[in-house]
Amino acid sequence: GAVVSQHPSWVICKSGTSVKIECRSLDFQATTMFWYRQFPKQSLMLMATSNEGSKATYEQGVEKDKFLINHASLTLSTLTVTSAHPEDSSFYICSASMGSSGNTIYFGEGSWLTVV
Amino acid sequence: GDSVTQMEGPVTLSEEAFLTINCTYTATGYPSLFWYVQYPGEGLQLLLKATKADDKGSNKGFEATYRKETTSFHLEKGSVQVSDSAVYFCALSDRGGSEKLVFGKGMKLTVNP
Repeated sequence: GAVVSQHPSWVICKSGTSVKIECRSLDFQATTMFWYRQFPKQSLMLMATSNEGSKATYEQGVEKDKFLINHASLTLSTLTVTSAHPEDSSFYICSASMGSSGNTIYFGEGSWLTVV
Repeated sequence: GDSVTQMEGPVTLSEEAFLTINCTYTATGYPSLFWYVQYPGEGLQLLLKATKADDKGSNKGFEATYRKETTSFHLEKGSVQVSDSAVYFCALSDRGGSEKLVFGKGMKLTVNP
């Protein structure tokens, strides 16, 4: 089946620095990618939807200047957490689809971010 | 807004035990309902889905029936195996064609031999 890969799986960064998480679709072209975040004992929450070549659409309450999403190609989307703070520590997971309604959505393995 | 409530774990069962993971939802309209599973070190995978009332999704011995009257989509398996150890997420998407998913909190299942 289709594969979506995230990197890194685990990352620790210092407060105030920026960290980038990559999401790649390995064997299909992902017109649309989604970024989710999960805090401990909470649901996976959608942060933003990105379509290749256009600006991401952010969910209410998600700071677009803090969570920079780039979807420059059909196989790669990146999430950059800028000026990270300990409260940004979370599990980030991406998903990708080929874009048409009803298409299967494929998820990455997720990335654990710890800000110290 | 739309929401999903599912059983919280973690849950530990012995092999061949019966499994039920409760899931209820709140949504406007008629959502599609999903169960996703995440095995250790892997991404979420679609386990089964149902797109309309009374539909039953099934896969790998797991079943769930879309119950509109009780707004539920409980996951069941008659006899779990060690290989079923994973985190299970209930989710919905609205019927308007959006691929946005609303998830429950997930439930970690451990099956011991």
